[in-house]
Amino acid sequence: AQRVTQPEKLLSVFKGAPVELKCNYSYSGSPELFWYVQYSRQRLQLLLRHISRESIKGFTADLNKGETSFHLKKPFAQEEDSAMYYCAARRGGSNYKLTFGKGTLLTVNP
Amino acid sequence: ETGVTQTPRHLVMGMTNKKSLKCEQHLGHNAMYWYKQSAKKPLELMFVYNFKEQTENNSVPSRFSPECPNSSHLFLHLHTLQPEDSALYLCASSQGGLGNQPQHFGDGTRLSIL
Repeated sequence: AQRVTQPEKLLSVFKGAPVELKCNYSYSGSPELFWYVQYSRQRLQLLLRHISRESIKGFTADLNKGETSFHLKKPFAQEEDSAMYYCAARRGGSNYKLTFGKGTLLTVNP
Repeated sequence: ETGVTQTPRHLVMGMTNKKSLKCEQHLGHNAMYWYKQSAKKPLELMFVYNFKEQTENNSVPSRFSPECPNSSHLFLHLHTLQPEDSALYLCASSQGGLGNQPQHFGDGTRLSIL
């Protein structure tokens, strides 16, 4: 079964500390992986996707096929990073269905 | 002008009412989606439309009826809903068919069933 697991519901760090939000997936083939973010009172928006290998707002995520993981990392967390983060996956190719994890609420304390 | 617009933002209705949720996208996308976001659950895909044709119905009860008159507009008609249907309903769009395009989400409609 296709599944995306975010083991941490809540994650709290201090400003300037490194942060890692975990995501593991269970997908056959070569899935596409995404991180979405939802700031307080804002819409859900795409943060980054593995295929573009980009860094957005200081966040990076590396697809580890051996560990079936796509952890989101940032070396120095900022207070404005506090938000709900969703990991999502879909089967590669023309399949549109995204499977989301349950989300991790990140709180960055001053 | 935001890319994906949903109306209304909030809706309270009784179980016997009939109402509709509206979604409009201004991104030139050809695929549109309805998602349900409940507390304590991940986002659940409900329906997918590609070039106005429904390509996926994720075992959604018939009290939810989608309509896609054109590639820019998507409706979700509601009838005889249950209290457990209270949730945030999100619309999204993407340049479907290309495989690698992300989905752009609206702000959602928060639905409360009395």
